[in-house]
Amino acid sequence: DVKVTQSSRYLVKRTGEKVFLECVQDMDHENMFWYRQDPGLGLRLIYFSYDVKMKEKGDIPEGYSVSREKKERFSLILESASTNQTSMYLCATQSAGGANQPQHFGDGTRLSIL
Amino acid sequence: EDKVVQSPLSLVVHEGDTVTLNCSYEVTNFRSLLWYKQEKKAPTFLFMLTSSGIEKKSGRLSSILDKKELFSILNITATQTGDSAVYLCAGVANNLFFGTGTRLTVIP
Repeated sequence: DVKVTQSSRYLVKRTGEKVFLECVQDMDHENMFWYRQDPGLGLRLIYFSYDVKMKEKGDIPEGYSVSREKKERFSLILESASTNQTSMYLCATQSAGGANQPQHFGDGTRLSIL
Repeated sequence: EDKVVQSPLSLVVHEGDTVTLNCSYEVTNFRSLLWYKQEKKAPTFLFMLTSSGIEKKSGRLSSILDKKELFSILNITATQTGDSAVYLCAGVANNLFFGTGTRLTVIP
């Protein structure tokens, strides 16, 4: 079974803080993704990575950055948190077998920015 | 612009009913369609559909893809309260494009 672990289930931060969300996977998957999920908007892709030290922008990268120093870990960084970044954040992994491989999700981090 | 639209947005049924959830897509370089079930936590994978007209089944759940009309349906027969969840579909190209989901509530 694929295990995708996000470091926090709930997180509360203040406007302007630098926020780190961590995601670790144990299945040696090459591809990792960060999404945010908001009511009425569904899941939206922020950033993804196909390899160590490699990153690609998704649909809504503004205000975020990512880091992939090791294959098993993909970090999402909010450089200066703002209230409109209050959301549920989901990390996902996928093997390198192609886009037809399903993504496996972590449990999510519900982030509140005050 | 690529998009995936699910309908209905929400649905309330009684235990034992059969439901059909709809997913239509407009995705450039479409490769496959995925269905997920999301309860309180993260989405869990249900089906991946790549070929038209071939039904996939898992217990009381089944799904089929129509690549000509650009839609998929997810059927759940003999619904149970444990089926209550948000059901997400996603069109796969180079990335995934998610619909906003259908919230299914099954009442005893």
